[in-house]
Amino acid sequence: ETGVTQSPTHLIKTRGQQVTLRCSSQSGHNTVSWYQQALGQGPQFIFQYYREEENGRGNFPPRFSGLQFPNYSSELNVNALELDDSALYLCASSLFKREGTNIQYFGAGTRLSVL
Amino acid sequence: KQEVTQIPAALSVPEGENLVLNCSFTDSAIYNLQWFRQDPGKGLTSLLLIQSSQREQTSGRLNASLDKSSGRSTLYIAASQPGDSATYLCAPFEGTDKLIFGTGTRLQVFP
Repeated sequence: ETGVTQSPTHLIKTRGQQVTLRCSSQSGHNTVSWYQQALGQGPQFIFQYYREEENGRGNFPPRFSGLQFPNYSSELNVNALELDDSALYLCASSLFKREGTNIQYFGAGTRLSVL
Repeated sequence: KQEVTQIPAALSVPEGENLVLNCSFTDSAIYNLQWFRQDPGKGLTSLLLIQSSQREQTSGRLNASLDKSSGRSTLYIAASQPGDSATYLCAPFEGTDKLIFGTGTRLQVFP
């Protein structure tokens, strides 16, 4: 158990719809990152939030957006869903430290299917 | 742009064998590297984090090494068990918090 929880577990949407995925970070963590994992691929970095501000973004279009709340929980929003958005969406939390890197703890993911 | 390659892509071995999983990355200017395990349809479980100043890290039957200059990391699994069956992912850090993943090695250990 990593202490990172994601909801919902599974989701089915149709093309053009909007979706919100949720993540509750491990207690004491102040950084959350979101990754997209297509079938048979490694996870791809979407973006990261630190203290409620976006702190880095991968090669994803603006219709992928996020929020981090004061309690460090987070949302990933995807607008205008496309078939290729079907994937496992993973949330990872960590405690940012000025020196060195920080172990990333992942949730179990949300499986999104776009029909 | 960092690219991560994992070899082999798939591996099927009998129980008890010692295994070596390889990971190579193109940009040696990484901070650290993290190894994960992923069971089918599940999230990622962190196995080991190797700091850039370390050459190896051990946890139980797992040992990971890191050679930044050659852009390689190796995960060694001793005395493999059927419960080790999973996909193993290596991910160097780009910056302090962004992970760059390979496509993984899918391991099956049969009794």
